[in-house]
Amino acid sequence: GAGVSQSPRYKVAKRGQDVALRCDPISGHVSLFWYQQALGQGPEFLTYFQNEAQLDKSGLPSDRFFAERPEGSVSTLKIQRTQQEDSAVYLCASSLPGQYTGELFFGEGSRLTVL
Amino acid sequence: SQQGEEDPQALSIQEGENATMNCSYKTSINNLQWYRQNSGRGLVHLILIRSNEREKHSGRLRVTLDTSKKSSSLLITASRAADTASYFCATVRTDSWGKLQFGAGTQVVVTP
Repeated sequence: GAGVSQSPRYKVAKRGQDVALRCDPISGHVSLFWYQQALGQGPEFLTYFQNEAQLDKSGLPSDRFFAERPEGSVSTLKIQRTQQEDSAVYLCASSLPGQYTGELFFGEGSRLTVL
Repeated sequence: SQQGEEDPQALSIQEGENATMNCSYKTSINNLQWYRQNSGRGLVHLILIRSNEREKHSGRLRVTLDTSKKSSSLLITASRAADTASYFCATVRTDSWGKLQFGAGTQVVVTP
């Protein structure tokens, strides 16, 4: 498809398990973003890539969160030893390059529930 | 932490009425954007206004920006039931050019 694709759409994990969430951005979009959205809240920035370079990871809540984009296209957000407070929707977005971030194209999100 | 704050948090109107929501932010910005999110879906970009612009239109949408007051407003004219969604403002700060920071959103319900 032509849009941002995320998988899985839904993930249930037991506390302590590791999870991996995948994002396939729009072809040609060099900028890729991960956001965390709690129920009823706005998206919170996690991290940002330009091609394979992770330029900003200031929003990652702890060292249990790790993101990579090794070939500058598909990205994976990994959460180790999941905790209940990690339950949220994880949104991926991509955009065309620019000096300042312009329009973001979002995927449908991956809803993580930690039991 | 969230850069923008939307007001009101929730808005309920009837079809045909106009809906206005406001966004305030704290620091110098390069641009401000508005997004819509239907329940359980991803966000959809509506409009972008740059810091040197004061007003912008797109279809039934009108956005204003007042950088002296650090605020923006989104007006949806002649609302439809399909406009029911959450609306978020987001800013790109001049000192953090890659990061788009969102507010908590305004939940709009349009009843037929």
